[in-house]
Amino acid sequence: EVQLQQSGPELVKPGASVKISCKASGYTFTDYNMHWVKQSHGKSLEWIGYIYPYNGGTGYNQKFKSKATLTVDNSSSTAYMELRSLTSEDSAVYYCARESLWLRAMDYWGQGTSVTVSS
Amino acid sequence: DIQMTQSPASLSASVGETVTITCGASENIYGALNWYQRKQGKSPQLLIYGATNLADGMSSRFSGSGSGRQYSLKISSLHPDDVATYYCQNVLSTPWTFGGGTKLEIK
Repeated sequence: EVQLQQSGPELVKPGASVKISCKASGYTFTDYNMHWVKQSHGKSLEWIGYIYPYNGGTGYNQKFKSKATLTVDNSSSTAYMELRSLTSEDSAVYYCARESLWLRAMDYWGQGTSVTVSS
Repeated sequence: DIQMTQSPASLSASVGETVTITCGASENIYGALNWYQRKQGKSPQLLIYGATNLADGMSSRFSGSGSGRQYSLKISSLHPDDVATYYCQNVLSTPWTFGGGTKLEIK
């Protein structure tokens, strides 16, 4: 069974950084792109970017290019997203989601990680 | 970036009714369009991919159609369990943009 288990909620101060994890199980981690999506309270979904674990290749939404860094640890089948220089605008729920390459869609999603930026 | 515009933003219908949600793209996306369902407190779930294909495990009461710039999601014989927010997504080119969402409620 495919599962994406994300790290727990974060409360961080403005200007700080945070690193969220997404541990995959039930499939070959390196075979599928991993995407990250932001959902601010009351707003729609925003695509942040993706990483291809096989070679670490990435693609970013230009809007998040200076905000987010995507990495992976293939030895533990874990994807990471680091968010830096946090402001209140970064308070949101962040999801990781696996891309099914033949469907060109996000077929499995993590449970979401809540990030709250507050002093 | 390709802009995705969904309508209506919210929708209230009765059990058993058929409802349709529309999604317009700012340019031709050649059927590279997905729909997701997000229930309150849950993660989004893939509903329709490639504009018309039902994702595994999803009810056949859901169907997708459209081409070019205009797409729609139809929900037949509405069930209480269909209460959710529905999102369309462009996957023709990055950034993979989402529509604003349609919140479906039961009367």
